[in-house]
Amino acid sequence: DAGITQSPRHKVTETGTPVTLRCHQTENHRYMYWYRQDPGHGLRLIHYSYGVKDTDKGEVSDGYSVSRSKTEDFLLTLESATSSQTSVYFCAISPRTGEYNEQFFGPGTRLTVL
Amino acid sequence: GDSVTQMEGPVTLSEEACLTINCTYTATGYPSLFWYVQYPGEGLQLLLKATKADDKGSNKGFEATYRKETTSFHLEKGSVQVSDSAVYFCALTGTSYGKLTFGQGTILTVHP
Repeated sequence: DAGITQSPRHKVTETGTPVTLRCHQTENHRYMYWYRQDPGHGLRLIHYSYGVKDTDKGEVSDGYSVSRSKTEDFLLTLESATSSQTSVYFCAISPRTGEYNEQFFGPGTRLTVL
Repeated sequence: GDSVTQMEGPVTLSEEACLTINCTYTATGYPSLFWYVQYPGEGLQLLLKATKADDKGSNKGFEATYRKETTSFHLEKGSVQVSDSAVYFCALTGTSYGKLTFGQGTILTVHP
């Protein structure tokens, strides 16, 4: 299995509070992604990174920010959490080298915003 | 934009039955196609992939063939087991930054 960890694994917070989720990899892959999983929607991309300090928005980026100061860490921040951000969040990594373009997923973080 | 459509579930089968989960896609260019599986309480695992037309991906008895003419990537297994009970996602990635576009997922339950 790819070396990906996410922390925390579970979190309950209140509306309006800031929340930071961490993704850590030991594979030295260049690309990292944050997705959210909601019933009936599959997974949707929030933000992605293609290198240290290189990030861009995905399809559902409103209300989220990211940072990547080291190859191995990719942080997702909810500046002011809302109930609509209750979800399961998955981090993924990819080498994106030639045909090796699959993504490997972390175990997920279940976030509840009350 | 890119999109993936999976057959609606849930799908319930008896052990040793045949499985087909339909997946069709819309994409520009020549995407790579994937099937991911999610077991209860876990993250997604890559089940199989195909990177060009007519490629067949296979793993753990599951197969899927990249059909460009019908824009399809149906998942098949000849004899399912109780341990195959999970959610299955069809997905594609194009040529940009590697974003995965997912179908909505199909819940498979296999009874003894």
